[in-house]
Amino acid sequence: DAKTTQPNSMESNEEEPVHLPCNHSTISGTDYIHWYRQLPSQGPEYVIHGLTSNVNNRMASLAIAEDRKSSTLILHRATLRDAAVYYCIANRDDKIIFGKGTRLHILP
Amino acid sequence: DSGVTQTPKHLITATGQRVTLRCSPRSGDLSVYWYQQSLDQGLQFLIQYYNGEERAKGNILERFSAQQFPDLHSELNLSSLELGDSALYFCASTPRAGANVLTFGAGSRLTVL
Repeated sequence: DAKTTQPNSMESNEEEPVHLPCNHSTISGTDYIHWYRQLPSQGPEYVIHGLTSNVNNRMASLAIAEDRKSSTLILHRATLRDAAVYYCIANRDDKIIFGKGTRLHILP
Repeated sequence: DSGVTQTPKHLITATGQRVTLRCSPRSGDLSVYWYQQSLDQGLQFLIQYYNGEERAKGNILERFSAQQFPDLHSELNLSSLELGDSALYFCASTPRAGANVLTFGAGSRLTVL
């Protein structure tokens, strides 16, 4: 698995877009980029994943740099319910390793 | 409800004891992962099973063991428990091995006194 680096914490105002960065400079060509989030007192939940192209789903968008060494999770309009720890993972094999993630605080 | 069922939800026991945590994967999923999350710590990968066979191992202590049964449910056995084993233990499942999307259960909270 490629090592990922994320900021420890970020803050955003409610109803504004949030851009959560992730660096994965040692990523290989077949490593997928996955994002999960963990709401307080819950198990992690899948958010989005991609390989090379930008991806959109109902929860978020994933923007992947052209060289794939970084990616950004975009929450288009943050709500208080989006306050969570967000994990970025770059892997292709069976050991799915989570880092410490980014704790996102949403300010009302 | 994610479809991944973990029991028990909460467990309190004493040092030196042994406990078993159970996980039923989402219907149709063949692969099960176990993770440990201590207070203010990230998710530590313990072990993965695929269709009954051990597939990948993380930093799992020798006091811990796991298995996946023919009906695909999995059990994580923790023995000679220490205070530091107090944690949330999560199970996740995927349809197959490899870099797939994980579906997590709600976790089992273990408190060792």
